[in-house]
Amino acid sequence: GAGVSQSPSNKVTEKGKDVELRCDPISGHTALYWYRQSLGQGLEFLIYFQGNSAPDKSGLPSDRFSAERTGGSVSTLTIQRTQQEDSAVYLCASSLARTSGRTGANVLTFGAGSRLTVL
Amino acid sequence: SQKIEQNSEALNIQEGKTATLTCNYTNYSPAYLQWYRQDPGRGPVFLLLIRENEKEKRKERLKVTFDTTLKQSLFHITASQPADSATYLCALAPIKAAGNKLTFGGGTRVLVKP
Repeated sequence: GAGVSQSPSNKVTEKGKDVELRCDPISGHTALYWYRQSLGQGLEFLIYFQGNSAPDKSGLPSDRFSAERTGGSVSTLTIQRTQQEDSAVYLCASSLARTSGRTGANVLTFGAGSRLTVL
Repeated sequence: SQKIEQNSEALNIQEGKTATLTCNYTNYSPAYLQWYRQDPGRGPVFLLLIRENEKEKRKERLKVTFDTTLKQSLFHITASQPADSATYLCALAPIKAAGNKLTFGGGTRVLVKP
């Protein structure tokens, strides 16, 4: 599509339930990122996918968080047994990241985010 | 530990003046630094990229400087307008590692008053 699409835009869930957030990146973008943004805060890196390489999961806050990217395109972020502190906006971004040569193509295009509220 | 610091206090500025934002970093050797704009309820939008070997970059009313000795970038909005009111985020990528994760500062909110 023309931009990065995220769904749902808003999700309210009860503590302890599992949630899935979806990201549809720009066609042809090889890199995909998930970030989390709490109210009034900056972006917290969660996970990064680059082509067929193993994802960089170094930002996932606990083993309740996982993400996958199927066919190098759509990604799903899953949060199991949600807690109130998981409430935040989850932002997905994609880029035409190159793996060699001159850097600078790693400009991120963000989706509008999925706002998660855990009651 | 690695840190990217931006002034967390909002910057209130009169229309027509120049807004200057600071991004300081420690324990990074970035290949480049980026600035993004974020409006409420939206994802960040890319504005400018400056490489480690560049001192200054301009785009319309925006100017970015990059001092790798001071480990600092300055972001200037000249002739500011109320439409420039937003949160501005700086972001770094590791040196010689295209495609690696981009780490963001906490952002500085700018409010331009007419």
